[in-house]
Amino acid sequence: QVQLQQWGAGLLKPSETLSLTCTVYGGAFSAYYCSWIRQPPGKGLEWIGEVSHSGGTNYNPSLRSRVSVSVDTSKTQFSLKVNSVTAADTALYYCACFGWLRGPGSFDYWGPGTLVTVSS
Amino acid sequence: QSALTQPASVSGSPGQSITISCIGTSSDVGGYNYVSWYQQHPGKAPKLMIYDVIERPSGASNRFSGSKSGNTASLTISGLQAEDEADYYCSSYTGGSTVYVFGTGTKVTVL
Repeated sequence: QVQLQQWGAGLLKPSETLSLTCTVYGGAFSAYYCSWIRQPPGKGLEWIGEVSHSGGTNYNPSLRSRVSVSVDTSKTQFSLKVNSVTAADTALYYCACFGWLRGPGSFDYWGPGTLVTVSS
Repeated sequence: QSALTQPASVSGSPGQSITISCIGTSSDVGGYNYVSWYQQHPGKAPKLMIYDVIERPSGASNRFSGSKSGNTASLTISGLQAEDEADYYCSSYTGGSTVYVFGTGTKVTVL
């Protein structure tokens, strides 16, 4: 059974850097493509970026200039950094993965979510 | 890349069938057979219900089915039950710089 556990700071001030990490337990980490997805309070889902086990990345163009996603295969972890946060970055942040046997974007494993609030 | 368009709300009585539409473009929904549907209960992470347009993962009820015609994908819930009351999101692979795009979300209410 694959489980995702995520953690990181939940309260930030404007201009600070958001940093979250997600550990994948169970399964074969090399078989997964993992993304970060966020959901502002009361709103819909927004894809942020993805990383493969080999370190290849893709980012949402609307966030590309401020976002970085990285992977540490030795720890079966992947991480998210968002620079220069503003109130608009306040959201529930999810890590999510799908296996290579599925079509792209079929996220069947999700973390519990981390609420990140940006406030002065 | 704009969000896929879904109706804000859909409702039905127990036992009925309802269908949620997801309208995209030829660059996303219409261009690839990689549409997924997610169910999200309040305070919970989304749960994959349909992937690759029509496939159902283990653990998802067989009352849920997916389809696609042109640039519009659809999720049908048959034999509606109280536990189906939730928010539903579609998503699609785009093949472009915005690799995945989500729908605007639909709130399903069981009357």
